[in-house]
Amino acid sequence: QVQLQESGPGLVKPSGTLSLTCAVSGGSISSSNWWSWVRQPPGKGLEWVGQIYHSGGTNYNPSLKSRVTMSVDKSRNQFSLNLSSVTAADTAVYYCARQLLVRGMDVWGQGTTVSVSS
Amino acid sequence: QSALTQPASVSGSPGQSITISCTGTSSDVGSYNLVSWYQHHPGKSPKFIIYEGSKRPSGVSDRFSGSTSGKTASLTISGLQPEDEAEYYCCSYAGSSTWIFGGGTKLSVL
Repeated sequence: QVQLQESGPGLVKPSGTLSLTCAVSGGSISSSNWWSWVRQPPGKGLEWVGQIYHSGGTNYNPSLKSRVTMSVDKSRNQFSLNLSSVTAADTAVYYCARQLLVRGMDVWGQGTTVSVSS
Repeated sequence: QSALTQPASVSGSPGQSITISCTGTSSDVGSYNLVSWYQHHPGKSPKFIIYEGSKRPSGVSDRFSGSTSGKTASLTISGLQPEDEAEYYCCSYAGSSTWIFGGGTKLSVL
């Protein structure tokens, strides 16, 4: 079955760019699904960050839209998240997930903790 | 976009039933039958348990059920078991190709 694995730096400096990658295994990133990012700041709830389709189409959370860029690499079967101008408020566990079109996110990565600190 | 409103906590005894509400607006829950629910145990990944308001993914216990009325979606867990103790989140389509989560509800099984 499909499995997802996030990777990337665990520490990012303020004003820097957070970059994460989600590797898809057991299935193709070119399947008819969206690929999403969700984050959870310490002690807070889940927040939808955005999603990308294998064609490169993207949808972003309006509150993050000016700082978020997502991309897909079909040759490596992975997708990525870039979040620029980060502050301490961007410290969170970041999850990647497969979104079954409009149904919901049925497969999740294990999550990766990213801290923003100097 | 503001987070959907969920009670911060609910509790129940083993064997009992509980219901968690998720209140949105006419721009999200009230306009689209596209609410999903997730169970989240600390330190683990969220688990997909309900989609399109009331449908269960394959493999999810029939003790979990969902419904929607107006701007409020609800998750009911019957026959509470100790392993049901977790945080529960609703998520709704919010129009313009965006999604929004609720603030989460901590379920305690006493």
